[in-house]
Amino acid sequence: DTEVTQTPKHLVMGMTNKKSLKCEQHMGHRAMYWYKQKAKKPPELMFVYSYEKLSINESVPSRFSPECPNSSLLNLHLHALQPEDSALYLCASSHPGLVYNEQFFGPGTRLTVL
Amino acid sequence: TQLLEQSPQFLSIQEGENLTVYCNSSSVFSSLQWYRQEPGEGPVLLVTVVTGGEVKKLKRLTFQFGDARKDSSLHITAAQPGDTGLYLCAGARTGANNLFFGTGTRLTVIP
Repeated sequence: DTEVTQTPKHLVMGMTNKKSLKCEQHMGHRAMYWYKQKAKKPPELMFVYSYEKLSINESVPSRFSPECPNSSLLNLHLHALQPEDSALYLCASSHPGLVYNEQFFGPGTRLTVL
Repeated sequence: TQLLEQSPQFLSIQEGENLTVYCNSSSVFSSLQWYRQEPGEGPVLLVTVVTGGEVKKLKRLTFQFGDARKDSSLHITAAQPGDTGLYLCAGARTGANNLFFGTGTRLTVIP
């Protein structure tokens, strides 16, 4: 299985809602990533988990809260978001520590904050 | 500060034409990946180059890693509408889990 899955595909939420994005991979990868991508821009790294531990937090606001329950799953909990947080949220996975760090991406969750 | 600059930023060509996309940096990378992304989808890995001067071919796509491992190019021969998308280069550094993405090149191939 060489696929990274993300749910939901689309999400519309109000600024007072709490929601979660989910990501799953079964490639045995022990590094997982959350990226945010605005239209016509490259992905921006948000968080990196390596061996289920948070290793990088790119100064992301606390209204985004990541969680890695096990080596196959990655969640992103959302609370009190702002309209400017509307974007495509991408999950990726890789083997940590390798020279080439090939990352495999999921299809993304299109988030709209009203 | 953007570590990897891609050029051109936008490219619109006719089907059958050739094109080259460049990915340049002043930093050295242990490897460099090229991804293609279609609207509303995640990036799909096309190739990884690791050795300075390395050339890899994927059907009509030719990828080259610079001798000093600071830059890379992607050449497409006889472009087809299915090549349309956002092309992203991304550099990796030894010991770092994150990738450094380039600024992106949006390619449109007109039938």
